[in-house]
Amino acid sequence: SQQGEEDPQALSIQEGENATMNCSYKTSINNLQWYRQNSGRGLVHLILIRSNEREKHSGRLRVTLDTSKKSSSLLITASRAADTASYFCATANAGGTSYGKLTFGQGTILTVHP
Amino acid sequence: NAGVMQNPRHLVRRRGQEARLRCSPMKGHSHVYWYRQLPEEGLKFMVYLQKENIIDESGMPKERFSAEFPKEGPSILRIQQVVRGDSAAYFCASSVKGGDQPQHFGDGTRLSIL
Repeated sequence: SQQGEEDPQALSIQEGENATMNCSYKTSINNLQWYRQNSGRGLVHLILIRSNEREKHSGRLRVTLDTSKKSSSLLITASRAADTASYFCATANAGGTSYGKLTFGQGTILTVHP
Repeated sequence: NAGVMQNPRHLVRRRGQEARLRCSPMKGHSHVYWYRQLPEEGLKFMVYLQKENIIDESGMPKERFSAEFPKEGPSILRIQQVVRGDSAAYFCASSVKGGDQPQHFGDGTRLSIL
């Protein structure tokens, strides 16, 4: 079973529109992180939200976390063509000595048309 | 402020050869993580290391794969007797400490097995 599954798998929008991606997970977490990956490159950290937080903002990004539903959403407002990338959520499990280990979802491919 | 450096960026090996992938973490980071990404998939955790210690290797295949992070020098992911199924992108990430810290990723090593 997948820990961290994104929805939708692909999203295509026009520049200026908002993009919303969702992530569901299965186990208790310490934190949830969102990353962006451009084709052929490594992942870039976007935002980290801890299990005791419900919402976090960073520039045009807004992340929510609902631990009762084990879900998170990433909202990108006023999208730009440069936002075109794959977006991944990743969870760090609660407890244990290795809670730095991240479990990634399959990702959402976002395409923003100019 | 160099980021996480991985080399080589591309590596081609024939079946049965050995592959050595190197990762230099960001300055000041003592925690290193290795992930593998198959085409069109998210990243899968392989191993988490601190200087001279393996913290979690639960994602490492039992045979042929090993990792180290010596006191001096880069972290090395070693794959012995490679097979076609080892073809993937291998990413290294580092963090200041484990736990609820963002991980900074390198651009990966693309391993191709002939």
